[in-house]
Amino acid sequence: DTGVSQNPRHKITKRGQNVTFRCDPISEHNRLYWYRQTLGQGPEFLTYFQNEAQLEKSRLLSDRFSAERPKGSFSTLEIQRTEQGDSAMYLCASSPPTASSYEQYFGPGTRLTVT
Amino acid sequence: QKEVEQNSGPLSVPEGAIASLNCTYSDRGSQSFFWYRQYSGKSPELIMFIYSNGDKEDGRFTAQLNKASQYVSLLIRDSQPSDSATYLCAVTPIYGNKLVFGAGTILRVKS
Repeated sequence: DTGVSQNPRHKITKRGQNVTFRCDPISEHNRLYWYRQTLGQGPEFLTYFQNEAQLEKSRLLSDRFSAERPKGSFSTLEIQRTEQGDSAMYLCASSPPTASSYEQYFGPGTRLTVT
Repeated sequence: QKEVEQNSGPLSVPEGAIASLNCTYSDRGSQSFFWYRQYSGKSPELIMFIYSNGDKEDGRFTAQLNKASQYVSLLIRDSQPSDSATYLCAVTPIYGNKLVFGAGTILRVKS
């Protein structure tokens, strides 16, 4: 049973650089979510895909953030011109295609540090 | 008012005791309710979900939901030191699929 995987697990970058994270959901899951978590807080929703369609985006997702899921399988989250405030754990979760099932299963996360 | 509120703790219980974790939510139309466990430096792990009023038991865990009071709780029986973690309450709003999380309650089980 392969869970959600994320790469890289850690990323250190300098302010102003662009970074890209990848998420591979559980194979039969068609719903994919990105969240951001900072120390002492719960995860905050960023965006949601059903198959390849991006159906919801948070106001937290500024113009510097973009997410894609081109073939409805893996997803990427890109942050352009990183700022120190972007330092956080970026979490990906996936959910099965069952209409009555809303459980989300998280990957290990990518910890971003912007120096 | 935060959408999902939890006491930050820490909640300290002796080994073998019952730990009771509480959560309130503001959106009366919330549909689904989840409890995640998160160890330090790790990602959240789903441990319980409940969709209907009442109790739902799974092993040592019982989730309780009272939609009229907008309250959901998690009971952990026979608490073990390995249960020491942050417990996150999450709800799905009436519209949308996202999870809205509380800030979490730190649980410490002392042997």
